[in-house]
Amino acid sequence: DQQVKQNSPSLSVQEGRISILNCDYTNSMFDYFLWYKKYPAEGPTFLISISSIKDKNEDGRFTVFLNKSAKHLSLHIVPSQPGDSAVYFCAALGGGADGLTFGKGTHLIIQP
Amino acid sequence: DTAVSQTPKYLVTQMGNDKSIKCEQNLGHDTMYWYKQDSKKFLKIMFSYNNKELIINETVPNRFSPKSPDKAHLNLHINSLELGDSAVYFCASSQARGGRNTEAFFGQGTRLTVV
Repeated sequence: DQQVKQNSPSLSVQEGRISILNCDYTNSMFDYFLWYKKYPAEGPTFLISISSIKDKNEDGRFTVFLNKSAKHLSLHIVPSQPGDSAVYFCAALGGGADGLTFGKGTHLIIQP
Repeated sequence: DTAVSQTPKYLVTQMGNDKSIKCEQNLGHDTMYWYKQDSKKFLKIMFSYNNKELIINETVPNRFSPKSPDKAHLNLHINSLELGDSAVYFCASSQARGGRNTEAFFGQGTRLTVV
């Protein structure tokens, strides 16, 4: 019973274009959402977050959108750069759990 | 000046052994965690601990136990290791704001292989 789902295991995007990573959740009690970036053999690194009372949060090249009615959030990276190639995890807080509930991750590959 | 550090990075051991993974954070956070990333790449919380209470994910076997000598450390002890314990274990910490925990900062992970 995955409560946070990332249905695309991988995504390939050309350098300079926009990368859009998607995430769906089922638990309506989640009230804070986060994106983490992970390189091989390293721990996840916090990227950006959004509270459930907002629908957009922007930080430089990264923007997270939240659609509460659809229980869907997305991470936009523009323009995409080679260093963005990594696995991106969507995570949620709340919902009765004390820690983060993670999705399975999407491997983003930025092609030159 | 690593924020969350855990040792060792790699650990290979035989079934039945007892092992420990150490974790330290220098962020002054009041909550620490252990997460497990299994072979299917799922990252799942195992424990959440602050100086007041330990919250255990009910799916975690009691062979796993966290030990916190002080606020900056949360070590993971595993008894009678089994093959299925092979995974990457991540330590993390976060600071409560407004009465709830926020973004967590992770260590680099410990790859445990049980043979």
